[in-house]
Amino acid sequence: EDKVVQSPLSLVVHEGDTVTLNCSYEVTNFRSLLWYKQEKKAPTFLFMLTSSGIEKKSGRLSSILDKKELFSILNITATQTGDSAVYLCAVQEDTSGTYKYIFGTGTRLKVLA
Amino acid sequence: NAGVTQTPKFQVLKTGQSMTLQCAQDMNHNSMYWYRQDPGMGLRLIYYSASEGTTDKGEVPNGYNVSRLNKREFSLRLESAAPSQTSVYFCASRSSGGAGYTFGSGTRLTVV
Repeated sequence: EDKVVQSPLSLVVHEGDTVTLNCSYEVTNFRSLLWYKQEKKAPTFLFMLTSSGIEKKSGRLSSILDKKELFSILNITATQTGDSAVYLCAVQEDTSGTYKYIFGTGTRLKVLA
Repeated sequence: NAGVTQTPKFQVLKTGQSMTLQCAQDMNHNSMYWYRQDPGMGLRLIYYSASEGTTDKGEVPNGYNVSRLNKREFSLRLESAAPSQTSVYFCASRSSGGAGYTFGSGTRLTVV
């Protein structure tokens, strides 16, 4: 059965800390891995990773994929209270050309001032 | 741009009642999806439509039906609501070759 597992489930840090969020997956027909940030409402897209070893960066956030070991990490440096959210990892599988995403349960990050 | 619009935002139903959740996107996306989100369970796919005229079951389709009315609209129907269907429902769409979903703002449904 395809699955996506995120760790830790929750995390509390202080402003300025660096955090690393983990996502491991077992998916039959892997196509890509995506990270989303979810605050109070709908998830918003952060990164899409398709190739191993290539880091994607956006400001203080970065992510990398290891297709051999089947995991990805999301790093946030110099955290701010506005980074408090649930971070979701999703893996896109390709079943007969119909792309679906399998989501992990998320990591809830709380950044204290 | 409106993106993906879901209605209603909140709804309370009694057990056994029926209702339809509406979703419309104005981005000319081919694929549309319905997810439910429950605490500790993440987002789970209910149904999806890869293109206009097609629908397929996802991970948790029981108790739901869908209609892809046209390219813009994808509705989710609960024929006989049960308390286990209390959840937050998200509609999403995706273009062919696009990077990720665009989500609607969600519908919080409570079945009592």
